[in-house]
Amino acid sequence: EDQVTQSPEALRLQEGESSSLNCSYTVSGLRGLFWYRQDPGKGPEFLFTLYSAGEEKEKERLKATLTKKESFLHITAPKPEDSATYLCAVQATGATNKLIFGTGTLLAVQP
Amino acid sequence: GAGVSQSPSNKVTEKGKDVELRCDPISGHTALYWYRQSLGQGLEFLIYFQGNSAPDKSGLPSDRFSAERTGGSVSTLTIQRTQQEDSAVYLCASSLGGTWSGPAYEQYFGPGTRLTVT
Repeated sequence: EDQVTQSPEALRLQEGESSSLNCSYTVSGLRGLFWYRQDPGKGPEFLFTLYSAGEEKEKERLKATLTKKESFLHITAPKPEDSATYLCAVQATGATNKLIFGTGTLLAVQP
Repeated sequence: GAGVSQSPSNKVTEKGKDVELRCDPISGHTALYWYRQSLGQGLEFLIYFQGNSAPDKSGLPSDRFSAERTGGSVSTLTIQRTQQEDSAVYLCASSLGGTWSGPAYEQYFGPGTRLTVT
């Protein structure tokens, strides 16, 4: 069964304190791994898609990496405005394009 | 440009009543998805439309749930005889779709409809 597990469930950082969020996955065949940011009361906001092991993508203070079993979202020198829930999802090869989501990591960055 | 829009933003209904939730996808996106997000749960896939193909209904939790997409654009999710366990945020997403690779699969979400069944 295709599955996504995110850790930690919650993370509290001081402003400027870098860290990483983990997304472990099992999928029959990976078409893509997606990272989203979700603010309270809003829909998920697309951040990155990674398609193959070894791929990396960056956006401002965020960098996503992918291996055959997991993905990391590295946050460098975070600011309070980076506080949000970060969601990881996988899309399997096949006829359906549905995303299978993890339960997310709630990140709080304190000034 | 305009993103995915959903209406209403909030809906409170009594147990046993029917509700309709609406989604307007991004213009030009041929694929449309419905997900449900319950408190403390991850996003759960409900249904997927791609162009004129038969929808993938494999995520619908019961026969009280149905969805349609008219004219390849707007979609309506209908829940009949609502139950308290249907309370959740219902999210719609769209993507370019088709048989392309890469960005065609990137799903963009609307703000969601918060459904409360009393």
